[in-house]
Amino acid sequence: GAVVSQHPSRVICKSGTSVKIECRSLDFQATTMFWYRQFPKQSLMLMATSNEGSKATYEQGVEKDKFLINHASLTLSTLTVTSAHPEDSSFYICSVGGGAHEETQYFGPGTRLLVL
Amino acid sequence: GQQLNQSPQSMFIQEGEDVSMNCTSSSIFNTWLWYKQDPGEGPVLLIALYKAGELTSNGRLTAQFGITRKDSFLNISASIPSDVGIYFCAGRGQGGSEKLVFGKGTKLTVNP
Repeated sequence: GAVVSQHPSRVICKSGTSVKIECRSLDFQATTMFWYRQFPKQSLMLMATSNEGSKATYEQGVEKDKFLINHASLTLSTLTVTSAHPEDSSFYICSVGGGAHEETQYFGPGTRLLVL
Repeated sequence: GQQLNQSPQSMFIQEGEDVSMNCTSSSIFNTWLWYKQDPGEGPVLLIALYKAGELTSNGRLTAQFGITRKDSFLNISASIPSDVGIYFCAGRGQGGSEKLVFGKGTKLTVNP
């Protein structure tokens, strides 16, 4: 399957600042990447679908101006949490589709965001 | 929208026991995926199922794509302490969407 990395793995920031999270597909050219958010003891919630070279598609209830997604290349997508607030503290995970079956998604290790 | 019902929510078993968990949906899915997530990490793909009736094994894990395309189960045989974690089912519905729908997870605890 596809190998996915995320950076940073953990970030602590002050309220009001912006945080950028990178998602890289290390061995697969991903035209589509996905961004999820996971709160403690809950399942993964899809935030947006990141399409290379075009605008991301956001899920209902996710503010596109707050969660900026850029998918500038086939191996890199970034999620920027703008003007972060404590309620944005969560575990952010990206995934890519890959391999012989495009229907499968492979996940990165996640980024833990804590907003003080 | 599409939803997956995953059960049980949690399981406490003794090492060596077999485990079974399942997911059901009110709508048809074209793909079923099973993931394991350890604390503080991303989900890791265990088994992928693409055809109704398909039965696939990965070591001590076995999963099946229900014949009705509305359910899937995951079995773990002879559990060991490292099986501890949260298991998620995920499915892709009809219509060509790439999005996955996730179950709420089954938390497995294995007592040595």
